[in-house]
Amino acid sequence: DTAVSQTPKYLVTQMGNDKSIKCEQNLGHDTMYWYKQDSKKFLKIMFSYNNKELIINETVPNRFSPKSPDKAHLNLHINSLELGDSAVYFCASSQVGILEQYFGPGTRLTVT
Amino acid sequence: LAKTTQPISMDSYEGQEVNITCSHNNIATNDYITWYQQFPSQGPRFIIQGYKTKVTNEVASLFIPADRKSSTLSLPRVSLSDTAVYYCLVGYPRSGSGNTGKLIFGQGTTLQVKP
Repeated sequence: DTAVSQTPKYLVTQMGNDKSIKCEQNLGHDTMYWYKQDSKKFLKIMFSYNNKELIINETVPNRFSPKSPDKAHLNLHINSLELGDSAVYFCASSQVGILEQYFGPGTRLTVT
Repeated sequence: LAKTTQPISMDSYEGQEVNITCSHNNIATNDYITWYQQFPSQGPRFIIQGYKTKVTNEVASLFIPADRKSSTLSLPRVSLSDTAVYYCLVGYPRSGSGNTGKLIFGQGTTLQVKP
């Protein structure tokens, strides 16, 4: 069973479009995250979501918005996509208060 | 905020011990040090975590000096399958409302293990 899953694995779209990436975890974790990994392999946290409390990295544009329908899901919505949004996006989860995170397989977003 | 610095790349041979050092001069009192491994086209995978001194598990050891300004991940007797990117993470977990947590990844060290 996949612990943390993401869909789609690949996403190719044009500038200006709106897209969503879905994430689900079956580990019963309380906290979920979204990360962005750029072409130089830098990993940066975008959001942390726990018990309906969202913590936003201040450098993330407000075109990005996480949506959590329930504890097991944290989706990422991106409006008005830009070329610089091209990257691999990872979802992760952990128990609250625990640093050990479980990452999904990633979604490679390409904006043309 | 604590910034982490790692070597960009390292080469090794099968059977050797590999030590990857991460520098985190501005580490805070409540920060932990965690290491992750990432294979191509996969998400990072937790390896080991520590606060001070030495921690060992079935896959690696983590050495943290008394001043905690650096840490060293030690991989004993590496094999070809250990070829991956290794990330140092400094921070503390989010522990509920009002405590946002802090997670800062290093730029990663690409380890290439040769036969």
